[in-house]
Amino acid sequence: QVQLVQSGGGLVKPGGSLRLSCAASGFRFSDYYMTWIRQAPGKGLEWVSYISGPANSSYHADSVKGRFTISRDNARNLLYLQMNSLRAEDTAVYFCARDGRYSSTFYNSWGQGTLVTVSS
Amino acid sequence: EIVMTQSPATLSVSPGERATLSCRASQNINSNLAWYQQKPGQAPRLLIYGAFTRATGIPARFSGSGSGTQFTLTISSLQSEDSAVYYCQQYNYWYTFGQGTKLEIK
Repeated sequence: QVQLVQSGGGLVKPGGSLRLSCAASGFRFSDYYMTWIRQAPGKGLEWVSYISGPANSSYHADSVKGRFTISRDNARNLLYLQMNSLRAEDTAVYFCARDGRYSSTFYNSWGQGTLVTVSS
Repeated sequence: EIVMTQSPATLSVSPGERATLSCRASQNINSNLAWYQQKPGQAPRLLIYGAFTRATGIPARFSGSGSGTQFTLTISSLQSEDSAVYYCQQYNYWYTFGQGTKLEIK
């Protein structure tokens, strides 16, 4: 069955960096778009970024553009989110999710989530 | 940005009864709408995509309807385990979520 296991996250100071990882199994990873979504404490869901299966296209929300970078290693079935210049408003639980095969659409499998706290 | 507005914010329904949750888009999103269920401390779970297609393993008591700007998630014959927050998401133009409806079982 599809499994997405996340790692990384934790407490970081404003202006700091962090990298999140998402290990995929149970499906042909390189065939699928992958997405990061976040949820601030007690708040709703916010799309952050997606990357195509072959990693030849990626997009980021305006709120993180220029600071966050999504990437993937299809040989190792790993998805990453490199987060730089972190701000207090980036504090959230970050989820990786399996997206569509031919385009980015909806998310039918999710990781367990990892908390990122940005605070001095 | 397409704004998704869900109503009501909170809904309290007795077991065995029907719950109707609404989601409105600020512009036409065709049928590019998904519904998710999220329980405390868990990741969201896909219920419905394409406005009305149930995801794999989702019970038939969950149904979706609507197109354009108005959408509905109906949960018939509510069970205690349906207590959760429900989110709609549009994927017609980029990706935005509603603010959620908290469903409480009386």
